[in-house]
Amino acid sequence: DAGITQSPRHKVTETGTPVTLRCHQTENHRYMYWYRQDPGHGLRLIHYSYGVKDTDKGEVSDGYSVSRSKTEDFLLTLESATSSQTSVYFCAISDGGDRDYGYTFGSGTRLTVV
Amino acid sequence: GQQVMQIPQYQHVQEGEDFTTYCNSSTTLSNIQWYKQRPGGHPVFLIQLVKSGEVKKQKRLTFQFGEAKKNSSLHITATQTTDVGTYFCAAWNRDDKIIFGKGTRLHILP
Repeated sequence: DAGITQSPRHKVTETGTPVTLRCHQTENHRYMYWYRQDPGHGLRLIHYSYGVKDTDKGEVSDGYSVSRSKTEDFLLTLESATSSQTSVYFCAISDGGDRDYGYTFGSGTRLTVV
Repeated sequence: GQQVMQIPQYQHVQEGEDFTTYCNSSTTLSNIQWYKQRPGGHPVFLIQLVKSGEVKKQKRLTFQFGEAKKNSSLHITATQTTDVGTYFCAAWNRDDKIIFGKGTRLHILP
């Protein structure tokens, strides 16, 4: 969707290396989320942010950290990538965190850890 | 924690047949949302239901929210090849985070 971009779209990395995925939005939405999607597990929340420098953990946060220094950017870092972190990562944004609107998702980053 | 269960996990239908996916919760939901994800794509928001017994339509898609607000369904009439994809329901949990069902993958046979 226009207004949210993820980079890179694809990445192959080696076990033990750090990896940073970027999510950039132009909608000025307050809430940003990182999900991973794996077969049989659906979408699982890794971390989310409810404002600049305000972040919190989701259900599968181990091995991941995030940072949000500007409203428009939400970074997801794998400090030391493992093969279990091979997945498709989606960023999502929402306006106000309220329940009246759906999430807008980015196009995803396909990460392979070898 | 709170979960939303979707059934079936997979569904194959002949083009032109109807399709229904169900979303169930053991607890009362404040609202429910539906998303569609095309193969290789990202989830796209379709609709939100809030009221008990609510029914909404989008062309050939009919969305229902149960009277007890514990279940929901998405029905597609006369499926077309463009309907291929995975359909997710999603609901807010007690921690004010949205949780997704695991989805129903729809395959259309020509």
